[in-house]
This record gives sequence, structure tokens and C-alpha cells, in this order.
Amino acid sequence: GAVVSQHPSWVICKSGTSVKIECRSLDFQATTMFWYRQFPKQSLMLMATSNEGSKATYEQGVEKDKFLINHASLTLSTLTVTSAHPEDSSFYICSARPPGADTEAFFGQGTRLTVV
Amino acid sequence: AQSVTQPDIHITVSEGASLELRCNYSYGATPYLFWYVQSPGQGLQLLLKYFSGDTLVQGIKGFEAEFKRSQSSFNLRKPSVHWSDAAEYFCAVGREYTDKLIFGTGTRLQVFP
Repeated sequence: GAVVSQHPSWVICKSGTSVKIECRSLDFQATTMFWYRQFPKQSLMLMATSNEGSKATYEQGVEKDKFLINHASLTLSTLTVTSAHPEDSSFYICSARPPGADTEAFFGQGTRLTVV
Repeated sequence: AQSVTQPDIHITVSEGASLELRCNYSYGATPYLFWYVQSPGQGLQLLLKYFSGDTLVQGIKGFEAEFKRSQSSFNLRKPSVHWSDAAEYFCAVGREYTDKLIFGTGTRLQVFP
């Protein structure tokens, strides 16, 4: 199946700093990618849709100035957590769907962010 | 609004026993349904999906699921569980086609030898 790669797998940062997470589709082009957040022992919640060449669309309640998304190419989307705080600590997962009918989305391996 | 319910938070079975994980969804149109498995600290692996056609779908690792429109259910089954099946299982429905997935709260499966 298609491969979506996420980097880094884990990151620890200090409060007030910014952290960038990358999501790459390795063997297909993706005009849209999706970012999810998973709190410990909870489900995944869609944060935003990353659109290549245009602004991301955010789900209700997600701060767009806190979670900056850039989709500069057809194979790369980045999520930057700005001015991180301990409550931003979470597991972030991206997904992308190969083009074509009836294809499912593939997920990256996730990034564990810990803000200290 | 679309939603997915997984009634069982935690299930424990013995190795070799059969398994059924429940999933109910709320969706106005024909749903795109998925089951994913997540091992601790890992991403999601797709077990199987239902888009249309035969309501009994086969997936990887010996899993199957049955779509029952009348019951708004998509339960996951496996006839004989292996210790390596211990993980978190998520049912999901596509909010827009197969994108923007809405996930259930997950069921943690524990397998005893």
C-alpha cells in the first residue's frame, strides 16, 4: 500500500518554543492531507485539512494561529505548533489519500510531542 | 451529525477465543466505514474497509466485519484471537467520502495466554 511518513516520531520541547512536524507521502501525490490529534487513551480528532497551494481549513475549536499548517508541495505538509505549552502535549498523526476512486487514507506513524 | 460509537472500552479474551468488537455509526448517507488497529505509540493500520457491495468484508490478519444498515453497525470479528492481536481498535466513518474520518473512542483488546 501507499506510504505516508511522519517526522519526527517524538519530540520534547520547552514551553514557549515552536515545533514543526512533517508529513510526507512517499509514493503518491496528495493535494490534501489531514492532521489529527490524539490525547492519551482517547480517540483521534481531526484538527485540520491541509490543502496544497492554499490555506488549510481548520475544524471548529482548533486555533489556526497555534497550529500552523503549510502544504507547499504535493508530497509534504507541515504542522507547526507555535508557542507550545504543556497542554499541547499529545500524539499528532497525519493522513493522506492517494488519488483515484475508492482509495482509503493512509496514516503516518505519528509524532509524540511532549512540552516541558 | 455523524458519529461513531464503540460501546466496549476494554475487552479481555483468551488466546484462541473468538472476538467481536462492536461499532455503531450515525450517518445520513451510505457510509464509508473502516476499522483500524493501533499498537502502543504507533500509527494506524487499516484492517478493512467497507465502501459498497458485499456487506461482509474480509481484512488482514484474519479479521472480518459485517455492515448491517438496518442496525447501523459495522462489527469486527475474528474467529481465533492471537496474543499479537492485543492493541487498540478504532472504528471510523468517512465524513467526506473516505476523507476526514470520524473515529470512535476505541476498544482496547487484551489477550491472555
